[in-house]
Amino acid sequence: AQTVTQSQPEMSVQEAETVTLSCTYDTSESDYYLFWYKQPPSRQMILVIRQEAYKQQNATENRFSVNFQKAAKSFSLKISDSQLGDAAMYFCAYSWGTSGTYKYIFGTGTRLKVLA
Amino acid sequence: DAGITQSPRYKITETGRQVTLMCHQTWSHSYMFWYRQDLGHGLRLIYYSAAADITDKGEVPDGYVVSRSKTENFPLTLESATRSQTSVYFCASSESMGITQYFGPGTRLTVL
Repeated sequence: AQTVTQSQPEMSVQEAETVTLSCTYDTSESDYYLFWYKQPPSRQMILVIRQEAYKQQNATENRFSVNFQKAAKSFSLKISDSQLGDAAMYFCAYSWGTSGTYKYIFGTGTRLKVLA
Repeated sequence: DAGITQSPRYKITETGRQVTLMCHQTWSHSYMFWYRQDLGHGLRLIYYSAAADITDKGEVPDGYVVSRSKTENFPLTLESATRSQTSVYFCASSESMGITQYFGPGTRLTVL
């Protein structure tokens, strides 16, 4: 069964510094998608970044980048130049599907605190 | 307004009552999803739908019923609510499998 594990329930980072959130997953599939979602106090789920497993190049979106290690089944999120608005819960997610079957699995989340 | 909406945003009900949570999207996305979010569990998929009249179970479907007669609507019904169904429920939609899901604002349901 596919699983997603976020081993850091809470992380803190100083404003303007860099922080890395960890995510590992387990799957026997070779083609799948990985995501990081942000959930601020408003509760709205917002996509941060997406990675296709068949792409070797790590995805980047402005200050957000991932370190995708397919063989190690690791998908960490790096936030550079952290801002107060980055404070939120961050969820790692895995997606895989074929005709008649679909899986979208979330980790338990990491709460990120940004210190002024 | 364009996007994905959920109603009600907050609901308090009693054990044994039937409750329906509504979800509406304006993008004509094929796929729609229902999740529940609980402390320590992240988000768990309850049901999903690939198109109108096509639905399938997710990870935690017991106690829930869904329907999708129109592409834009995907209601979730708790036929006989239990306290264990107290949670925050999120609806989401996407154009196809594996790509970005767009989430609604969530419904906080309390079952007394």
